[in-house]
Parts: sequence; C-alpha cells; structure tokens
Amino acid sequence: GAVVSQHPSRVICKSGTSVKIECRSLDFQATTMFWYRQFPKQSLMLMATSNEGSKATYEQGVEKDKFLINHASLTLSTLTVTSAHPEDSSFYICSASPGLQETQYFGPGTRLLVL
Amino acid sequence: LAKTTQPISMDSYEGQEVNITCSHNNIATNDYITWYQQFPSQGPRFIIQGYKTKVTNEVASLFIPADRKSSTLSLPRVSLSDTAVYYCLVGDHSGAGKSTFGDGTTLTVKP
Repeated sequence: GAVVSQHPSRVICKSGTSVKIECRSLDFQATTMFWYRQFPKQSLMLMATSNEGSKATYEQGVEKDKFLINHASLTLSTLTVTSAHPEDSSFYICSASPGLQETQYFGPGTRLLVL
Repeated sequence: LAKTTQPISMDSYEGQEVNITCSHNNIATNDYITWYQQFPSQGPRFIIQGYKTKVTNEVASLFIPADRKSSTLSLPRVSLSDTAVYYCLVGDHSGAGKSTFGDGTTLTVKP
C-alpha cells in the first residue's frame, strides 16, 4: 500500500518551454501533496505544499508563477515548470499524505533537463 | 523550524549493526521523528517513525531518549544494498511543513 507514482520519470526540453509533471497516489486519497527539488549531491528542498481544492502554499524563495501547482483531485497533483531554463534542471520529487498529520510517501522522482 | 544534525557519512561492513544518531535540540512537544532512506535518483523511502522511547519494525529500530533531543536509527546486520543516504526529519507526522530535510547521512556498506 501507499504507492505514489510520478510521470514522466525523465524529461528533456528546450529552454523556454513548459513542462508538466504529474504525481498520483495510487492506493489512497491524498489530502496533502508536497513538491520537492533536489540538486545533485544535495538534500531535498521543499518547494510547496498543496491541499486538494485549494491554492498551494509555496516556500520562501519559490516563484509561484514559475512553478504552477494544481491539486485538482484527491489522487492527482501536477507541477508545471513554466518557461524552463537550464538552471531549473533538477530532480523533482513529490510526496503524498492521507492527511497533514500523517506520514508522507514519496514518488520515484522526475529528472528534468533543460537544454 | 526544527533543525536536525546528522553525521555526514558513515562506513560499515556487511553483517554489522549500524547506528545513526540525529540531534534535534529544539524539538517541539508535538513533533514526531521520522527517518527516510534514499537511493540515487529515487524518492525517499519511509523507514520508521517514533515519538518517544523505542520503536521497532521489520527493517529498523528507533531509539529516543527521555529528553527527545536526539534519536538513533539502528539497522541490524546491514548488507551492501543498505548503502544509501539516510535522513532524519522532525515535525508533524507528515515530516514536512514544520521541518526540513537536513543534509542526511551517507552510509557506505563495504563487503
């Protein structure tokens, strides 16, 4: 149980394009989903917290207009990197939790490379 | 935010018990302690969570002293496949929001 999937697992795009990453909880309803970014040999950095049906809460320094988050259902959250640039190249990981007070389960991550 | 401090790296050999300690001096009364394992290019995997004293599951044990200012993850008889980065998080059950991922401990298990 408690499986979280991400799609795509890897994406390469040209600078200036937008990329959408999906995060799905496969066997539970996720009231809350989290999006992280991880650069090589660094720890995970929380980008934003999204709750189903409401606007995401972004961490300080994360541009909400660049990283669009939509949590339209209890099993799906999407992260759209708009007008991607090479410095946005990173490993993006989502996690889902049945509730804010419950353990979070992580997806396998999405490797984004912006050329 | 609850800050955690872990050793940056540890080495061990197959079959040994490994103990990784995490310091969290400003842990709040309602905070839980959660440990995750991460392999390269994968998302973190939940290992164990506890609030006080000792918690044990099929893969690890978590020891938490009475003052809760530190915790120790114990991995019995490690194998090569346990080579990974281990993160200690302090916060609500979800481990996010009120806490951040620290630098983690890179465990290298040698044959």
